[in-house]
Amino acid sequence: DAGVIQSPRHEVTEMGQEVTLRCKPISGHNSLFWYRQTMMRGLELLIYFNNNVPIDDSGMPEDRFSAKMPNASFSTLKIQPSEPRDSAVYFCASSLGRLNTEAFFGQGTRLTVV
Amino acid sequence: AQTVTQSQPEMSVQEAETVTLSCTYDTSESDYYLFWYKQPPSRQMILVIRQEAYKQQNATENRFSVNFQKAAKSFSLKISDSQLGDAAMYFCAYRGGSQGNLIFGKGTKLSVKP
Repeated sequence: DAGVIQSPRHEVTEMGQEVTLRCKPISGHNSLFWYRQTMMRGLELLIYFNNNVPIDDSGMPEDRFSAKMPNASFSTLKIQPSEPRDSAVYFCASSLGRLNTEAFFGQGTRLTVV
Repeated sequence: AQTVTQSQPEMSVQEAETVTLSCTYDTSESDYYLFWYKQPPSRQMILVIRQEAYKQQNATENRFSVNFQKAAKSFSLKISDSQLGDAAMYFCAYRGGSQGNLIFGKGTKLSVKP
């Protein structure tokens, strides 16, 4: 398996534009996580899906952020409209549903909003 | 809500020496797992070690071991015989039974001096 695949690797956009980040989890994994990493706040959990259903979205900063998982092999994180403070590295991770299983991370998307 | 706290933003160790990274967590759950992840400059997240809350015995993986104090809700990572390749960000993480989400601390940046 190729691991968790995120696209794009880098994204530069202007303030106010819509940004869509994509994630393909490892085949067979039924848990998917979206994280945002910044120096100030560390690795924040934005949303957690289990079996394609959002279980915990309490970390989603505000209504500008939305996430979907239409099927077991694809998820998106959308920011509309984007703001400079959204600049960060966004990670997607997947795992099996059992607590003891390792979460595998994608390479992340570095988002810069100017 | 569960929280994970890493109180040491940065640590430094001499090559071949031993270093301990601290982590505390807060939870009311009885069923959970704890993890340490390593993030080198490549940005890739790598699992270092995991611990089940029900197990008294501290987990060990080669030069990495943990000191798990359940009553104190403490989960420190000890790195023995430190190597230059150990230089990275280290994240402590919690995964609990009620929801299954995976929560991280803010991380500790470890430098290894030759």
